[in-house]
Amino acid sequence: AQRVTQPEKLLSVFKGAPVELKCNYSYSGSPELFWYVQYSRQRLQLLLRHISRESIKGFTADLNKGETSFHLKKPFAQEEDSAMYYCALRDNTDKLIFGTGTRLQVFP
Amino acid sequence: DTGVSQNPRHKITKRGQNVTFRCDPISEHNRLYWYRQTLGQGPEFLTYFQNEAQLEKSRLLSDRFSAERPKGSFSTLEIQRTEQGDSAMYLCASSLTAVGYTFGSGTRLTVV
Repeated sequence: AQRVTQPEKLLSVFKGAPVELKCNYSYSGSPELFWYVQYSRQRLQLLLRHISRESIKGFTADLNKGETSFHLKKPFAQEEDSAMYYCALRDNTDKLIFGTGTRLQVFP
Repeated sequence: DTGVSQNPRHKITKRGQNVTFRCDPISEHNRLYWYRQTLGQGPEFLTYFQNEAQLEKSRLLSDRFSAERPKGSFSTLEIQRTEQGDSAMYLCASSLTAVGYTFGSGTRLTVV
């Protein structure tokens, strides 16, 4: 079955601390993975996708096929990073399958 | 074009009533998706269109739910005989390719 698992509902860190939001997936084919972010009172928006290998707002994510993971990382968290983060998998019919999300709280 | 627009933003309805939501995608986007999100969950796929053709429907979508996209432009999602379990945020997204989803702000449905 195709599934995305985000084991942490809430992650709290202090400003300047490293952040890692975990994402594991289950997919039989070649996966295409994304991270979406939702800031307070804003719509869901794309943060980054694995095929572009980019860094957005200091965040990176590496696809590890051996561990079936796509963890989101940032070396130094900022208060403005506080948001809901969703990991998503694109399946072979082109729809996205989302995880349950992790709320990141960055304290000053 | 200011992005994906959804109306209404909020809808409160009595159990058993029918409701209809509208989504206006980005004009050049040929794909349109409907998702549902309940508290503590990620968005769950409901259905999607490529132009006016409805290509896939989730098994979550009971026969009380119907979606249309006439002429491949805006889309409507109708829920008949609403139940309390239908209370959720209904999200619409559009894209030109499978990659670049743009989401709307959603319609929050409360069934009382």
